[in-house]
Amino acid sequence: SQTIHQWPATLVQPVGSPLSLECTVEGTSNPNLYWYRQAAGRGLQLLFYSVGIGQISSEVPQNLSASRPQDRQFILSSKKLLLSDSGFYLCAWTAGGQREQYFGPGTRLTVT
Amino acid sequence: QKEVEQNSGPLSVPEGAIASLNCTYSDRGSQSFFWYRQYSGKSPELIMFIYSNGDKEDGRFTAQLNKASQYVSLLIRDSQPSDSATYLCAVSDLSGGSYIPTFGRGTSLIVHP
Repeated sequence: SQTIHQWPATLVQPVGSPLSLECTVEGTSNPNLYWYRQAAGRGLQLLFYSVGIGQISSEVPQNLSASRPQDRQFILSSKKLLLSDSGFYLCAWTAGGQREQYFGPGTRLTVT
Repeated sequence: QKEVEQNSGPLSVPEGAIASLNCTYSDRGSQSFFWYRQYSGKSPELIMFIYSNGDKEDGRFTAQLNKASQYVSLLIRDSQPSDSATYLCAVSDLSGGSYIPTFGRGTSLIVHP
């Protein structure tokens, strides 16, 4: 069966510090991968998605970036965090060609 | 800009009752519809998906889709306190080789004993 991992689970970072969040999927090949952010009291905002290694599509302009160095690995990064970057970061995947999307456990980021 | 609308609630129902959650969407051409359950502090969990007009049942859950009226609903029969959560509606369309969902803001459901 397929499993999706995210780490760390929680993170507290000062403003201006860098960020690296990692997501890995097990049990499937060539998944489509997604990064979302859910701010307190707000809906899910799609940040990036990827249909293959090195292929990244950005949905909103921001100071975040994403990379997909391996088939089942998706990384979210920032060079300098802002207070507004605080939120619940969720990685999700779909099997290639499928429509059902599944979420990882998430990373709760607090920027202080 | 595609939109998915849900009543934020909270919807409060007694234990054992039927909970009815509704969602409307703006893009008449949308083909894929999903319901997620999200407990406080946790990630969303996919509980139902429906792609054709009509009803789809899975255990205590029934998803209903009406494309002509552009709404999708979720019925939860014999509601339990453990069903208390936020329910997210999502509508997904194919774009650039990937299905891209648009999520509603969710409806908070409270099932009281």
